[in-house]
Formats: sequence, C-alpha cells, structure tokens
Amino acid sequence: GENVEQHPSTLSVQEGDSAVIKCTYSDSASNYFPWYKQELGKRPQLIIDIRSNVGEKKDQRIAVTLNKTAKHFSLHITETQPEDSAVYFCAARPFGNEKLTFGTGTRLTIIP
Amino acid sequence: DTEVTQTPKHLVMGMTNKKSLKCEQHMGHRAMYWYKQKAKKPPELMFVYSYEKLSINESVPSRFSPECPNSSLLNLHLHALQPEDSALYLCASSQRTSAYEQYFGPGTRLTVT
Repeated sequence: GENVEQHPSTLSVQEGDSAVIKCTYSDSASNYFPWYKQELGKRPQLIIDIRSNVGEKKDQRIAVTLNKTAKHFSLHITETQPEDSAVYFCAARPFGNEKLTFGTGTRLTIIP
Repeated sequence: DTEVTQTPKHLVMGMTNKKSLKCEQHMGHRAMYWYKQKAKKPPELMFVYSYEKLSINESVPSRFSPECPNSSLLNLHLHALQPEDSALYLCASSQRTSAYEQYFGPGTRLTVT
C-alpha cells in the first residue's frame, strides 16, 4: 500500500517569513495530494490540493508543488501569520483507490 | 449546507456500555468515512461507505460496528470498548469515493473508562 513520509515534524518560523513542509510518497499510481490544516481541538480542514497532471498550484499565500519523478510534494506558506499555527498533514491517494494515506504531520508554530 | 456534523461532541463510556456516534451531511455526498485519530497522530481510516454500502473495513475490531441507514447519515455503534479505544472519532464525506475532496466533521472525543 501507499506510504507517506512528512518532514519536519515541528517547524517554528518568525511571523512574516516563509514555511515549507515536505512529503514523499511510495506508490507511483498516486494521483491526488491534499493538504489538511488541523488547529488544536478542531477538525482537519482541506486547505489546498494538487492532482498529478499539474506541477504547481497556488491559492493566495499557500502553494503546493509536485515532483512526480521524485515522488515528492511540498507545501509553501508565505508571509506567515499567527493564525497559520497548526498541525499540517499531507496525504496521497492512488488512482482507483478509495483510501487516503496521511503523513505523520508537522506542527507549525509562528513566532510573533 | 456545506458541513459535516457529528454528535455527540464528547462521550465518556464504561467498558460494558453500548453507545453510538452519529454523523450527518446534506451535501448530496455518496461516500462517507469513519476515521480514528489519537493525539499527535494523523487520522487513521476505519470504514468507507459508498452509496450506503460498506466498501472498506480496515480490519477494525468487531466492537466497532458501522451503519449507513441512508445517504445522509452514518452511525458508529460501540460496544465493549477498551481504554485504548479512547480517541477523536472523525467522520468525513466526499461526492463519491472516486471524487477527490474529503470534508471532515468536527469529531467526537471518546473516553473509555
């Protein structure tokens, strides 16, 4: 089955700086890669996703890049704000598979 | 309505109790999911329902029994749980299992004493 590794497990950045979280996946059939943000005590919230037919997607301060050859994808947050502090999970899903496999999570802390 | 709702928010039960968790969505989604999330861990898939039929059971112990009475409702019946079953139980839905986006409910925080 699919295996997703996520790094780093914790990340602290100064407010206004950029944050990058990286994930690698094992199944070359994976074609869908979402990112979820989970604040303490809240539900995971889908913030951005990318499909295997594109290499990059951007939504305001958030962007995701995908390298299919290397089987890795990354989340980029620019101009970080205190409300970006949360745990971020990457995930991957192989084509035709109903199961979404999550990475282990990154706790992002924005330092004011 | 673009939300997945779950009740109750919190549940404390003894090991001999029987209780149920409820999940509801009114987005017309035909795929619904149960996940278990332990502290500081990612969500772990338990069950998938597609068009009200169970399509995935991730080798979950029989003390967890899912039910999908209609396309909007998903239940998780609990019986004879163990303290290690204490966790956040999340429900999610998507348009179909082949659709990409899954949307999560707020979860039920379960404590087994």
